[in-house]
Amino acid sequence: SQTIHQWPATLVQPVGSPLSLECTVEGTSNPNLYWYRQAAGRGLQLLFYSVGIGQISSEVPQNLSASRPQDRQFILSSKKLLLSDSGFYLCAWSRTRGRVGAFFGQGTRLTVV
Amino acid sequence: DQQVKQNSPSLSVQEGRISILNCDYTNSMFDYFLWYKKYPAEGPTFLISISSIKDKNEDGRFTVFLNKSAKHLSLHIVPSQPGDSAVYFCAASAGGGADGLTFGKGTHLIIQP
Repeated sequence: SQTIHQWPATLVQPVGSPLSLECTVEGTSNPNLYWYRQAAGRGLQLLFYSVGIGQISSEVPQNLSASRPQDRQFILSSKKLLLSDSGFYLCAWSRTRGRVGAFFGQGTRLTVV
Repeated sequence: DQQVKQNSPSLSVQEGRISILNCDYTNSMFDYFLWYKKYPAEGPTFLISISSIKDKNEDGRFTVFLNKSAKHLSLHIVPSQPGDSAVYFCAASAGGGADGLTFGKGTHLIIQP
C-alpha cells in the first residue's frame, strides 16, 4: 500500500530564516507530487506540482520554491521566511494515470515569528 | 476567480439527522469531483468521488449528487454521527491533468448531540 510521510509536523521559525519541508512517498513509482497551503478562509491553495524528477511547476508567485531530487521525494524551501508564509502546508501525491485523486500527508503547521 | 465554491463556511446538524453540504463550480471543463474530510492539524482524507457521467454515487452513509446543468454537487451524510464533525472540502479536476485538484474553501460541519 502507498504511504506519504511529511515532516516536521510543527515548526516555528523566525522571520528571515530558511525553510525546508520534506515529503516522501512509499509504495508507488513516478507519482505526481504536490505542495498545498491551507490558509484561514482560503481553502487549499496549490503551490507547486511535479510530474517527474527535476520538473517543477509553480502555480502562484511567492517566496517559496520546490525541488524534486528523487522520484518519491518532494521538498518545499525558502531562503528567507516572511510572516505571511505562516500556514498549514500539505504534501500530496496522485497517480499519473486514471482518475486524478490526491492523497495527503499529515501536514506541517508553520509559524513564522 | 474561484472556480469551486462552498458558500457555507459552517453547518450545524443534530446527531442522527441528515447533513447536506453544497458545492458549486464554474469551470465547465471539470469532469471529476471529490469530497475530502479534514480534522484539525491533519491532512485531508478522501471521502467519495463522482464522475461527470454519473449523477449519483453512494458509499455507506455518504452520497454525492451531481447536477451538471446547474454546476452543483452536494454531499449527503445520513445519519450524521459525532465523528463526522470536521471540515469538508469539495474538489474538482478537468481531464485528469497533472496540475492537481481545485478546492473549495471548505465547510465546517458540526454535529450536535
